[in-house]
Amino acid sequence: AQSVAQPEDQVNVAEGNPLTVKCTYSVSGNPYLFWYVQYPNRGLQFLLKYITGDNLVKGSYGFEAEFNKSQTSFHLKKPSALVSDSALYFCAVRVLGSGNTGKLIFGQGTTLQVKP
Amino acid sequence: DVKVTQSSRYLVKRTGEKVFLECVQDMDHENMFWYRQDPGLGLRLIYFSYDVKMKEKGDIPEGYSVSREKKERFSLILESASTNQTSMYLCASSLRRELFFGSGTQLSVL
Repeated sequence: AQSVAQPEDQVNVAEGNPLTVKCTYSVSGNPYLFWYVQYPNRGLQFLLKYITGDNLVKGSYGFEAEFNKSQTSFHLKKPSALVSDSALYFCAVRVLGSGNTGKLIFGQGTTLQVKP
Repeated sequence: DVKVTQSSRYLVKRTGEKVFLECVQDMDHENMFWYRQDPGLGLRLIYFSYDVKMKEKGDIPEGYSVSREKKERFSLILESASTNQTSMYLCASSLRRELFFGSGTQLSVL
């Protein structure tokens, strides 16, 4: 079955330190991978995506993600965390439904807590 | 900027009521989606639509139906609301594989 897993419910990091939010996936074929962020009482906002090409993808707000095909992972990273990065982060993979319509399957989410 | 608007931010309904959740997008996107978000379960796809009057079941369609009479509007219908449908409902539309989300509707069924 096609799926996405975020193994950590919560990640705690001190402001200024590097952060990593983990994501692994299981899909057939080449994966299209995404990261979204959700701030309190808001909808999800797009951060970045991997479709093809360079394994290191740069996105919004200084975030980047590294695609690793052999480990089927797509971890989200940032060199220096800010308190304002505290939010709920979702990893997602695109799969094809009937009629070749794409849909996203989401992981369960990881809460990032950045402490001053 | 793409705008996806959900008509209600908070909604309280009683068990057995018929509930309509409305979603409108302003960017002429073909594809629209309804997800529900529950703590620890992430987002789960209820239904999606790839064209007017076209719909496809997602992963958890039971107890829900949808309507897409116009391209910009995608409605989620709870035929007879139950307490286990208390959740955050998120609508999205898509262009070039990227989803754009509305702010969500927190539905409480009492």
